[in-house]
Amino acid sequence: EVQLLESGGGLVQPGGSLRLSCAASGFTFSRHAMSWVRQAPGKGLEWVSAISNSGANTYYADSVRGRFTISRDNSENTLYLRLNSLRAEDTAVYYCAKGLIAAVRVYDYWGQGTLVTVSS
Amino acid sequence: EIVLTQSPGTLSLSPGEGATLSCRASQSVSTDLAWYQQKPGQAPRLLIYGASSRATGIPDRFSGSGSGTDFILTIGRLEPEDFAVYYCQQYGSSTRPFGQGTKVEIK
Repeated sequence: EVQLLESGGGLVQPGGSLRLSCAASGFTFSRHAMSWVRQAPGKGLEWVSAISNSGANTYYADSVRGRFTISRDNSENTLYLRLNSLRAEDTAVYYCAKGLIAAVRVYDYWGQGTLVTVSS
Repeated sequence: EIVLTQSPGTLSLSPGEGATLSCRASQSVSTDLAWYQQKPGQAPRLLIYGASSRATGIPDRFSGSGSGTDFILTIGRLEPEDFAVYYCQQYGSSTRPFGQGTKVEIK
């Protein structure tokens, strides 16, 4: 059974940092691109970042480029998102999502999400 | 940047009725279009990809059609569990791949 379990969210002050983790199981993690998608309270889905299966290629939304860093450890089956210089508008539930092999940004499994709240 | 526009914003229907949700792209995405369902407090669930292919375990009352710029998600007969928000997504290289969502609510 595929499972994605996010952790690391919480309350942080503006300008602060967090590292989110997504522990994957039930599939060959190293074969799949992975992404982070967020959802602000009461709002729609916003794609944040993606990483290729090897980790060699990374991609970011304009709103987070230069502040967030995606990475992965294929030996530990874990995806990460480092969030720096956080702003109030980064407040959201952050989901990790597994891409299909044939279509890397089609997400067939999602984690339950971890809430990041940026507030003083 | 390709932008997806979904309509209507809200659809009020009764169980047993059919639903038609629209997604329009600002330029052609071929058939690189997916649909997701999201219920309150839950993660999104993949319904359709490739514009018309149902994901694993998705009931056949859900169907997708379209290509290029105009896409439709059809729900044949609404079950109580189908009342949710539906998002379309184009999965090219856009950094804004999701539509704004259509809420299907109980009338």
